[in-house]
Amino acid sequence: DIHMTQSPSSLSASVGDRVTITCRASQGITTYLNWYQQKPGKAPNLLIYAASNLQSGVPSRFSGSGSGTEFTLTISSLQPEDFATYYCQQSFSTPRVSFGGGTKVEI
Amino acid sequence: EVHLVESGGGLVQSGRSLRLSCAASGFIFDDYSMHWVRQVPGRGLEWVSTITWNSGDVGYADSVRGRFTISRDNAKNSLYLQMNGLRAEDSAFYYCAKAMAVAGATLDSWGQGTQVTVSS
Repeated sequence: DIHMTQSPSSLSASVGDRVTITCRASQGITTYLNWYQQKPGKAPNLLIYAASNLQSGVPSRFSGSGSGTEFTLTISSLQPEDFATYYCQQSFSTPRVSFGGGTKVEI
Repeated sequence: EVHLVESGGGLVQSGRSLRLSCAASGFIFDDYSMHWVRQVPGRGLEWVSTITWNSGDVGYADSVRGRFTISRDNAKNSLYLQMNGLRAEDSAFYYCAKAMAVAGATLDSWGQGTQVTVSS
């Protein structure tokens, strides 16, 4: 099974900050990597698919990069509504997919 | 607009069964793979099971294989998860999610979840 490791597990930031979250796969997954945002009490929401493609309706301050085993999610200028938990997910080994442990972005 | 509504959760004793349902609307249901994902409150996301558009391929997490069965009824636009032999560690919110493709695992729409609590 492919194991996904996110870092950091939590971070503190301020409005306007540039934030970067890293996700590492235990083996190469080319660009089969997705990012989700989850707010408390809500279902996850797809932000980025195939490593770098912005899902429709997602603000352009979100971006993704990487391939192989290392990936990043960047928020260029943190907004109040961005305080949430972010998860990466590999879809390389479909149907057996897996999620990272999550990164909580706090004030 | 895509709409996914889970139902069937509740409180159940260890060893018993539950059947979760997910009613889908707003898209052509049989064009997409569907998934179940669960989450213990305050914890991370755990993929549970997947079924392709025509039920031709299914997959299960090791933690549920042999106990859970995923199925779908394309005529009823519905997804199901039959959960047998429930354990305390199966307690979680269960989400159904739609994939972006017939056999994909990029989850572009999610339901609001149904809570399962297993008492020991």
